[in-house]
Amino acid sequence: DTGVSQNPRHKITKRGQNVTFRCDPISEHNRLYWYRQTLGQGPEFLTYFQNEAQLEKSRLLSDRFSAERPKGSFSTLEIQRTEQGDSAMYLCASSPGQAGYTFGSGTRLTVV
Amino acid sequence: GQNIDQPTEMTATEGAIVQINCTYQTSGFNGLFWYQQHAGEAPTFLSYNVLDGLEEKGRFSSFLSRSKGYSYLLLKELQMKDSASYLCAVRSSGGSYIPTFGRGTSLIVHP
Repeated sequence: DTGVSQNPRHKITKRGQNVTFRCDPISEHNRLYWYRQTLGQGPEFLTYFQNEAQLEKSRLLSDRFSAERPKGSFSTLEIQRTEQGDSAMYLCASSPGQAGYTFGSGTRLTVV
Repeated sequence: GQNIDQPTEMTATEGAIVQINCTYQTSGFNGLFWYQQHAGEAPTFLSYNVLDGLEEKGRFSSFLSRSKGYSYLLLKELQMKDSASYLCAVRSSGGSYIPTFGRGTSLIVHP
């Protein structure tokens, strides 16, 4: 197992375009989390899955954001009609329970 | 909600000891985590405290006082590679037990 994998590592997109990121968690981890991190700040929680169920969403997750985990394995985070304020590092983490959170290396999004 | 406070930046000398403080306010405390994050990389787990006291792991130790809403991370025998951001995260028992992170402390280690 190579840990939590995120793709792509970097994404540059024009304002108004849609983007999709993928996260492959550690295989035996049933919990998956998405966070967003901007420069000089800590990660901010976006949403959480237990298996395929999306159990919690932050109010930071506007209607333009949607996340899925269709088979309880990998997850995707889509941002529609991107804005410059969406530029950030998007981090995925997984855990087997309520501890042992392992983060991926993140996808850095730049909206121009 | 939760309020987590840690210093923005600290500097220290190679070989020295540094203590990074974290204070928090939360209802239903359910654990405190410390993570290390090098620039452009993923946060990596350092320590987890749920009971009061000191947890030691090699050069790194973490302390928790639940009554004071206070934790610190102690780094001994500092090395240049310890230059990184150190993130304090608190989990509460409400909701889905999801950690909330502070903004992180950027540690710069000088030769």
